[in-house]
Amino acid sequence: SYELTQPSSVSVSPGQTARITCSGDVLAKKYARWFQQKPGQVPILLIYKDTERPSGIPERFSGSSSGTTVTLTISGAQVDDEADYYCYSAADTYRVFGGGTKLTVL
Amino acid sequence: EVQLLESGGGLVQPGGSLRLSCAASGFTFSDFAMSWVRQAPGKGLEWVSAISGSGRSTYYGDSVRGRFTIYRDNSKNTVDLQMNSLRPGDTAVYYCAGRRDGNDYWGQGTLVTVSS
Repeated sequence: SYELTQPSSVSVSPGQTARITCSGDVLAKKYARWFQQKPGQVPILLIYKDTERPSGIPERFSGSSSGTTVTLTISGAQVDDEADYYCYSAADTYRVFGGGTKLTVL
Repeated sequence: EVQLLESGGGLVQPGGSLRLSCAASGFTFSDFAMSWVRQAPGKGLEWVSAISGSGRSTYYGDSVRGRFTIYRDNSKNTVDLQMNSLRPGDTAVYYCAGRRDGNDYWGQGTLVTVSS
């Protein structure tokens, strides 16, 4: 099986840039996705194929990749961006989520 | 409008079985790989199982392999998860999800509680 490692929490002030990392060997070979989940809500896809943004997702959300680490960047973070963020990757016969990162904007 | 509607959750005793079902509409079902993802109370997302669009390929997480089986019926636009030998650790909200490139759809989830 594979593992994806994320920091448990990240804090930023409103308007600052938040960066959430996700590390795992599988990321050197396979794409990552990023999801946002707010309390009591269903996860929303923010980024796919490491850097692609689905229609309707604000441009302040972006993704990047380097080796075995992918990064979700939230430029000009807003209070409404407070949520849990999960990376995800699919490798051959296995899929895996990272442990999640709680983003605090205050 | 895209809809994924899960059903079949509930309270079951340890060692028991349950079958979850997910009815899809609003998209070309057979073009999408389908997954079940669960979330235990206060915990993160855990991938459980996936099935290819054709249904020929199935995949399972280590914690459920050998106990859970995923099925799909492309004529009815449904995907099921048969869960056997349930354990308290299987208690979670189970989400049905459909995925194809930038299209990613989730149901609202169904709660499974394994307790005596």
